[in-house]
Amino acid sequence: ILNVEQSPQSLHVQEGDSTNFTCSFPSSNFYALHWYRWETAKSPEALFVMTLNGDEKKKGRISATLNTKEGYSYLYIKGSQPEDSATYLCAFTNYGGSQGNLIFGKGTKLSVKP
Amino acid sequence: GAVVSQHPSWVICKSGTSVKIECRSLDFQATTMFWYRQFPKQSLMLMATSNEGSKATYEQGVEKDKFLINHASLTLSTLTVTSAHPEDSSFYICSARLGVEQYFGPGTRLTVT
Repeated sequence: ILNVEQSPQSLHVQEGDSTNFTCSFPSSNFYALHWYRWETAKSPEALFVMTLNGDEKKKGRISATLNTKEGYSYLYIKGSQPEDSATYLCAFTNYGGSQGNLIFGKGTKLSVKP
Repeated sequence: GAVVSQHPSWVICKSGTSVKIECRSLDFQATTMFWYRQFPKQSLMLMATSNEGSKATYEQGVEKDKFLINHASLTLSTLTVTSAHPEDSSFYICSARLGVEQYFGPGTRLTVT
């Protein structure tokens, strides 16, 4: 059974703090790692998709790294703002998955206090 | 770009009735769409892969006769929960694939009473 683990489950930070979350996934037959940002009552928003070991992606204050050999990815948020409050999901696809279906972790719920 | 809509956003139905959920890609065509389900405090779990013009592929443990999927056009997939029971109450969300990315709808909260 393929399993994606995310930690922590939830996180409360003050505005201006920098923070990071972890996503662990099976390293065998790796194809891609996705990060999504999901606000309540909205669609999950695609942040990054990474495919190569050592990949680093950045979008504004948010960045992500990927280590496919050891099976983990980090998501970093620099200078958190209240609007960053959301659940951050990571999802993994492997070559054996049916047409590239995503296997999700349970998410990290971030709350940023003003 | 890459917007996916889903309708309805929530629905309450009586046990034994059927409910149809629509998933539309608004600004792109999608030959492949996916249906996921999420129970409280659990991950999004893939139910089935919907392919335009052909039969859906269901994940292990998902009853194809209970969860009917139709992908009649490149922008629309529907999921019908037939003879719904309280244990079908869940959050259902669809996605449409564009390249290597999947773009999600906002989801449908189904409550079966």
